[in-house]
Amino acid sequence: KAGVTQTPRYLIKTRGQQVTLSCSPISGHRSVSWYQQTPGQGLQFLFEYFSETQRNKGNFPGRFSGRQFSNSRSEMNVSTLELGDSALYLCASSSTDEQYFGPGTRLTVT
Amino acid sequence: GQSLEQPSEVTAVEGAIVQINCTYQTSGFYGLSWYQQHDGGAPTFLSYNALDGLEETGRFSSFLSRSDSYGYLLLQELQMKDSASYFCAVRDARGSYIPTFGRGTSLIVHP
Repeated sequence: KAGVTQTPRYLIKTRGQQVTLSCSPISGHRSVSWYQQTPGQGLQFLFEYFSETQRNKGNFPGRFSGRQFSNSRSEMNVSTLELGDSALYLCASSSTDEQYFGPGTRLTVT
Repeated sequence: GQSLEQPSEVTAVEGAIVQINCTYQTSGFYGLSWYQQHDGGAPTFLSYNALDGLEETGRFSSFLSRSDSYGYLLLQELQMKDSASYFCAVRDARGSYIPTFGRGTSLIVHP
C-alpha cells in the first residue's frame, strides 16, 4: 500500500498571502487529520475530516480551514499568512488506533 | 481538556536501556500511544495501550497504568538509530481517532 503523500514538500510565502496544502491518505482510510508542528509547541491538532465532513477541530483561528473530497483526499488552506504560521504541517490518515503520517509540508512565511 | 507531561530530553549510551515517562490529565481516557520521529521525518507509530500492563514489540515496550494516569516507553539494547524524538499521545473517549500529543522527548544515544 502506498503511504500518505503530501504536496508540496516545501513552500515559501510572504505575510498576507494564502496557501493551500494537499494530502492523499492511504487507500481505504476515510479519516484525515492535520497537525501543525513547531519547535516550541510540538504537534498541535488542527482538524479532522471523515467522509467529507469535519468531525473534530482544534483551537486554531478561522484563517485555517480544510476540506475533504469524495476520494478522501484533503486540502487545508491558510489565509492571510502570519510569520507565526511557519511550521511543518503534517497530515495523517487513520483506520483504527494507529495514525499514519505523511512527510509533511514545510511552510516558511517571510 | 487534556495535558501530557514527558521529559524534554533523555540521553543514554548504545546498548543501554532507557525509559521515557508520560503522565497525562484528560477528562476521558481511551488509550495511550507512542510515536517516534527522526529529524526531518514524519512521526511513525510505535505502540498503543488501552488496558493496564506491558505491551512488548521487539526492543520496544510500552506500559500503562490508568489508575496513575501514567505510562512509559521502554527501549532496550539501544542503537544509534534510536536517536529521535518520542511522543506520547492520549485519545479521549470521544470516539474519534484523534490523539492529543505531548511535546516530545528527544532521545540522544551516545556511542
